[in-house]
Amino acid sequence: NAGVTQTPKFQVLKTGQSMTLQCAQDMNHEYMSWYRQDPGMGLRLIHYSVGAGITDQGEVPNGYNVSRSTTEDFPLRLLSAAPSQTSVYFCASSYRTAYNEQFFGPGTRLTVL
Amino acid sequence: GESVGLHLPTLSVQEGDNSIINCAYSNSASDYFIWYKQESGKGPQFIIDIRSNMDKRQGQRVTVLLNKTVKHLSLQIAATQPGDSAVYFCAERAQGGSEKLVFGKGTKLTVNP
Repeated sequence: NAGVTQTPKFQVLKTGQSMTLQCAQDMNHEYMSWYRQDPGMGLRLIHYSVGAGITDQGEVPNGYNVSRSTTEDFPLRLLSAAPSQTSVYFCASSYRTAYNEQFFGPGTRLTVL
Repeated sequence: GESVGLHLPTLSVQEGDNSIINCAYSNSASDYFIWYKQESGKGPQFIIDIRSNMDKRQGQRVTVLLNKTVKHLSLQIAATQPGDSAVYFCAERAQGGSEKLVFGKGTKLTVNP
């Protein structure tokens, strides 16, 4: 099993550009989530999904969209990048719920100029 | 609102000593708590969890203690090793029944040989 994979590892964007951060898991997990990690801020939940076709907002959803068309994939879309979105983004998955152990991907480091 | 914080941002211990990492939470309705370890450049890794109907839970070399009276959580690492050097985060499940996790800001543990 590859676990949770994220692409790309690094990305530089200009303000106003859009892009999609990819996340995939091969563990047949129902719960998937996206977090951002900023220095001194810990991890903050952006969006999460409890199964294919179901998504919900986390703590800091503004400026991000998600969809969950398959169990395996949970892409995060930045519609119009802003410097405030410069961060490290982590995708995670768990068997059923946030109660279960979450497995994190290696992260994507995003810089918005 | 809910918040999860840590008493100390850094902790330095000698190899072989026991380490104690503390965490305070503010939401008395939180019913699930988790500790994660994050090594430099990697995604967080699950260590141990505890539900609010328990006071103590033990794993391999780690123990989590939950004091609901003072809303305090601690992670004890026995015989700390250099490989334990990392940032440790506590997290709580936000409000009963929610699928959201709220993370604290983290404590950096340094193990000196």
